[in-house]
Amino acid sequence: EAGVVQSPRYKIIEKKQPVAFWCNPISGHNTLYWYLQNLGQGPELLIRYENEEAVDDSQLPKDRFSAERLKGVDSTLKIQPAELGDSAVYLCASSVNQAGELFFGEGSRLTVL
Amino acid sequence: GDSVTQMEGPVTLSEEAFLTINCTYTATGYPSLFWYVQYPGEGLQLLLKATKADDKGSNKGFEATYRKETTSFHLEKGSVQVSDSAVYFCALSDHGDSSYKLIFGSGTRLLVRP
Repeated sequence: EAGVVQSPRYKIIEKKQPVAFWCNPISGHNTLYWYLQNLGQGPELLIRYENEEAVDDSQLPKDRFSAERLKGVDSTLKIQPAELGDSAVYLCASSVNQAGELFFGEGSRLTVL
Repeated sequence: GDSVTQMEGPVTLSEEAFLTINCTYTATGYPSLFWYVQYPGEGLQLLLKATKADDKGSNKGFEATYRKETTSFHLEKGSVQVSDSAVYFCALSDHGDSSYKLIFGSGTRLLVRP
């Protein structure tokens, strides 16, 4: 069974540029999460989807971050414009339901110069 | 709000040594507790979990017991191997309101020397 797939694995951009990350969850997993992991820290939730509905986006900085999960399958997280402080690893995870085990992708490491 | 505190790393041990990684939590309700592990170059994966007080989670020789009286969930292994070198994250589930999310500690890096 394929795991959670994320791309790109690495991205280097200049500040004020836009960037997008893509996630394909495990087939059949209705719940999808985007987490932010700063260096030396644990993951912090940005947004959670139940199917195509964003049910918890309270930690998403909506002035520059946006996310979508069209058709309730894969998802895209966008940052526009990127700032130096956005340099981090962006993790995607999925689960069968909201109380199920989370399966994580390998993450997308963003460096903003 | 709910939070998780882990011992700082790195923890460096020789092969076959005993491992303890401390984890304490603060929660208003009755959370489930988890240990996730991140091997080099891989995503986080669930190592073990416990859903109520006095439960013991175990997997791959690792154990952790949910201690409500001390609000702790320490990870232990009797004899570590080089292949156990990884970053270990303690986490709790937050069932506040209608939401559900995991709150993670900052992680503890374990390095096992041959």
